[in-house]
Amino acid sequence: QKEVEQDPGPLSVPEGAIVSLNCTYSNSAFQYFMWYRQYSRKGPELLMYTYSSGNKEDGRFTAQVDKSSKYISLFIRDSQPSDSATYLCAMRYSGNTPLVFGKGTRLSVIA
Amino acid sequence: ETGVTQTPRHLVMGMTNKKSLKCEQHLGHNAMYWYKQSAKKPLELMFVYSLEERVENNSVPSRFSPECPNSSHLFLHLHTLQPEDSALYLCASSHEISGGAYNEQFFGPGTRLTVL
Repeated sequence: QKEVEQDPGPLSVPEGAIVSLNCTYSNSAFQYFMWYRQYSRKGPELLMYTYSSGNKEDGRFTAQVDKSSKYISLFIRDSQPSDSATYLCAMRYSGNTPLVFGKGTRLSVIA
Repeated sequence: ETGVTQTPRHLVMGMTNKKSLKCEQHLGHNAMYWYKQSAKKPLELMFVYSLEERVENNSVPSRFSPECPNSSHLFLHLHTLQPEDSALYLCASSHEISGGAYNEQFFGPGTRLTVL
């Protein structure tokens, strides 16, 4: 079983839709959870960072962590064409251990 | 220049060639990383440097040879590569490797490498 599972998509939604992106993981020792956004021909950029179970909101983005189910989500409200990108989940065991990434989900928001 | 820059942005090489990828960070960070991003695979960490010292080498074949002459520059020297080495090679930097609970990595745009 892979450490981090993420559906690669592609996912295509109309503008204004609510988008749900998800990752599952196998090792309960992961403590820190991140979402990166990667535009075409660019490197990943950190979008959201969470530590504990629960929700964290930043504008139109909400990151959700459920440690009991080993499941994390990223919700995008009122999606815009500019949100079209690949979204990668990442996690780490502690502050000085390497990041473990999912494969990334490619999202297209159609105007 | 700001952030993390990488050159060249695209590289095509034959299996017998020798080439180098360059990364430069303008953020005053102490740690630098090389990642490999292949289609439909997760990012794979290749090498980690902290204050110019290599601290991690994730079983990377010896045809990839990193060099970190100072905390702002990182190179990846390539020789006798295989077609399966074709990928996007990403450089990243962060303040420290062990920055407590949070230590954001800033990525460069990557070098798209094609091995013929």
